[in-house]
Amino acid sequence: DAGVTQSPTHLIKTRGQQVTLRCSPKSGHDTVSWYQQALGQGPQFIFQYYEEEERQRGNFPDRFSGHQFPNYSSELNVNALLLGDSALYLCASSLALSINTEAFFGQGTRLTVV
Amino acid sequence: RKEVEQDPGPFNVPEGATVAFNCTYSNSASQSFFWYRQDCRKEPKLLMSVYSSGNEDGRFTAQLNRASQYISLLIRDSKLSDSATYLCVVTGTSYDKVIFGPGTSLSVIP
Repeated sequence: DAGVTQSPTHLIKTRGQQVTLRCSPKSGHDTVSWYQQALGQGPQFIFQYYEEEERQRGNFPDRFSGHQFPNYSSELNVNALLLGDSALYLCASSLALSINTEAFFGQGTRLTVV
Repeated sequence: RKEVEQDPGPFNVPEGATVAFNCTYSNSASQSFFWYRQDCRKEPKLLMSVYSSGNEDGRFTAQLNRASQYISLLIRDSKLSDSATYLCVVTGTSYDKVIFGPGTSLSVIP
């Protein structure tokens, strides 16, 4: 049973470019959440997708957008990259309609903006 | 006020010591609570869920105080392998976002 998988694992981009990160949830999970974790900080919630719709959003600008596909996989897109976007981007999957839902994390994509 | 706050740390303790972490949350409607562990440059992994009645898993004990809106994690007989960052996690309804605290770093010293 594959857990949460993210791709790519590492990425280097230039300021102003656009990037797409991908996530496949754990088998049986239908909800995908994205987090940004800067060095030395806790993960910051970006947004959550369920039934192919954005359900919740954290305090991130519109440059951050996402998508969920019918197979529950998800993409995170960041436009007009800034140096401050350099971080570990974590994807977590969980099961909706479950109060005590445990979130399973992928290993993350480490994005460096130069 | 931040939604979830934790002891800033870092905590540097000798092997065998007992250490306790506290976490407070601002949303009284929060329903589920967890402690996650994150090793350096790795993804967070669930350590334990936190229930109102308190729960224990070996050397780890987690407690929830809804009235005061705080969660605690107690680690007894610390091991070198306990060195990590411990993240307090709070969630609301099933569709609600999962909020992480900033984490507390623990270093267990020989």
